[in-house]
Amino acid sequence: DSGVTQTPKHLITATGQRVTLRCSPRSGDLSVYWYQQSLDQGLQFLIQYYNGEERAKGNILERFSAQQFPDLHSELNLSSLELGDSALYFCASSVGTLQETQYFGPGTRLLVL
Amino acid sequence: DQQVKQNSPSLSVQEGRISILNCDYTNSMFDYFLWYKKYPAEGPTFLISISSIKDKNEDGRFTVFLNKSAKHLSLHIVPSQPGDSAVYFCAASVGVRSGTASKLTFGTGTRLQVTL
Repeated sequence: DSGVTQTPKHLITATGQRVTLRCSPRSGDLSVYWYQQSLDQGLQFLIQYYNGEERAKGNILERFSAQQFPDLHSELNLSSLELGDSALYFCASSVGTLQETQYFGPGTRLLVL
Repeated sequence: DQQVKQNSPSLSVQEGRISILNCDYTNSMFDYFLWYKKYPAEGPTFLISISSIKDKNEDGRFTVFLNKSAKHLSLHIVPSQPGDSAVYFCAASVGVRSGTASKLTFGTGTRLQVTL
């Protein structure tokens, strides 16, 4: 158990819909990262937050947005969903801003029908 | 542009033997490299890392080798155990040494199967 929790574990929705994925980092970690893993793909970095502020952005679509709340949990919002958004979404956390060792949650599997 | 490549999608090794997982990268600015292990239905778990100023790092049965001139990274597992069966991802970062690291770039993973 990494100490990072993600909800829900599974999500099935339809095209055009909007969903919110939630992540709680390990106790004491200030950074939260979101990754997307599509079929046969590596983990693609989406976005990083540190202590409530956006710190780095990767290949995140404009239809996606994220935020980190004062209690340090984070939410990833995916809107106008398309079939290609079906993937595993992982959240990770680390103590600081340096991305040396990240601890990953179990992921949310999103299926868009 | 795949900056971190794991060209072998799968590898099968007998228990007790050495497992060698390979990773190539193209970005010469990477200064920190990591290996993660992933079991089904779980998130990746950090395994071992190496800074670009080193060419080897060892932790128990796991050793990571870095060949900067070849832009090649490898993970050796000796001896391999059935519990090592998982998907292994290599990852790299720019700017860890300078304190400006912004993200990890992952390879596509290699599925290791350790057989009895």
